[in-house]
Amino acid sequence: GQNIDQPTEMTATEGAIVQINCTYQTSGFNGLFWYQQHAGEAPTFLSYNVLDGLEEKGRFSSFLSRSKGYSYLLLKELQMKDSASYLCAVRDRTGANNLFFGTGTRLTVIP
Amino acid sequence: EAGVTQFPSHSVIEKGQTVTLRCDPISGHDNLYWYRRVMGKEIKFLLHFVKESKQDESGMPNNRFLAERTGGTYSTLKVQPAELEDSGVYFCASRPSGTGNSPLHFGNGTRLTVT
Repeated sequence: GQNIDQPTEMTATEGAIVQINCTYQTSGFNGLFWYQQHAGEAPTFLSYNVLDGLEEKGRFSSFLSRSKGYSYLLLKELQMKDSASYLCAVRDRTGANNLFFGTGTRLTVIP
Repeated sequence: EAGVTQFPSHSVIEKGQTVTLRCDPISGHDNLYWYRRVMGKEIKFLLHFVKESKQDESGMPNNRFLAERTGGTYSTLKVQPAELEDSGVYFCASRPSGTGNSPLHFGNGTRLTVT
């Protein structure tokens, strides 16, 4: 089976940096995805990691450690529009390579 | 390109009634997925089509749920008869074949309320 954990809620200040952690347990790890979801909208793809290390994409970076079953999403220079839910999802090859999601972290950016 | 579209955006039905949700994937995407999010819980996998074939339907809750993808284009998900616990947001997602670990593209979802 799959077990994916992330904090339920976080609050951060505009202009600051925030790190959203995700831990996972899965038998056939085949990649980790981060999605952003604004209320009432579709989850949108942010980043993908399959090898250990840091992937940087503008203000967003994602890190993966497969040996620790751990990832984080780093958001820099926070903007009000970054207030959203951030979903960690793991692809499991023993689960037919389908995506398995955590419950999501609701981030609130305050002035 | 047009994104994944789902219809309707909202549906309110009574227990025992039937509802059919529709998903139009991105044109050319062979892989189509249905997911569901129940209030307060994680997004959970329901099933996966490759073209018109069901690749994996291990996430379907029970036989009240029927998914089809005739012709390998759009898909429908029918719930019959609906129960209270079927309430939630039903997401459809698609991705192309042969692209390794390409991300899923999601629709905005259908919010189903069973009263």
